[in-house]
Amino acid sequence: KQEVTQIPAALSVPEGENLVLNCSFTDSAIYNLQWFRQDPGKGLTSLLLIQSSQREQTSGRLNASLDKSSGRSTLYIAASQPGDSATYLCAVNDYKLSFGAGTTVTVRA
Amino acid sequence: GAGVSQTPSNKVTEKGKYVELRCDPISGHTALYWYRQSLGQGPEFLIYFQGTGAADDSGLPNDRFFAVRPEGSVSTLKIQRTERGDSAVYLCASSLNEGSTDTQYFGPGTRLTVL
Repeated sequence: KQEVTQIPAALSVPEGENLVLNCSFTDSAIYNLQWFRQDPGKGLTSLLLIQSSQREQTSGRLNASLDKSSGRSTLYIAASQPGDSATYLCAVNDYKLSFGAGTTVTVRA
Repeated sequence: GAGVSQTPSNKVTEKGKYVELRCDPISGHTALYWYRQSLGQGPEFLIYFQGTGAADDSGLPNDRFFAVRPEGSVSTLKIQRTERGDSAVYLCASSLNEGSTDTQYFGPGTRLTVL
């Protein structure tokens, strides 16, 4: 069974700092990996999807890397803003998603 | 266009009652998924539909849980004899193609509270 772990569980940074969120998984036989954002009481918003053949994916201030052989992915958020405060979830996809517990980010103004 | 919608947004019921949760996927999406999210945890897979059939129901916790998708679009998750441990947010997602690894788009969820 796929196990997905996210470290740290919570993170608080001042505005403007870069964020680094880590995700590890146990079974490298995945099709892709997705990063999601979840605001309190809301559903999931897809941020980035990295195919298993890719090493990284970028969208605006977001950059996600994938190292399938070591079972790791990292989400970088550049120049954080208070609006980035949310819980970030990674999920590995072998047609169904297996999620980590998330990293709750607080960006202080 | 419209995203995935779920109704009701909140459901409060008493232990032992029957509940139905509805999911309307994005129009044209053939794959539909149900997940359950407990407080402080990531969502956990329940069931996956390809068209009208359940391709994988391995995540359903027991036989009190059942889901249908009779016309290949709207899906209903049914829970019989609800228990307090069933309290969670139930999320529905859809993706464009069957059996694919396309991006899954999530609805806002139904928060179920069993008293």
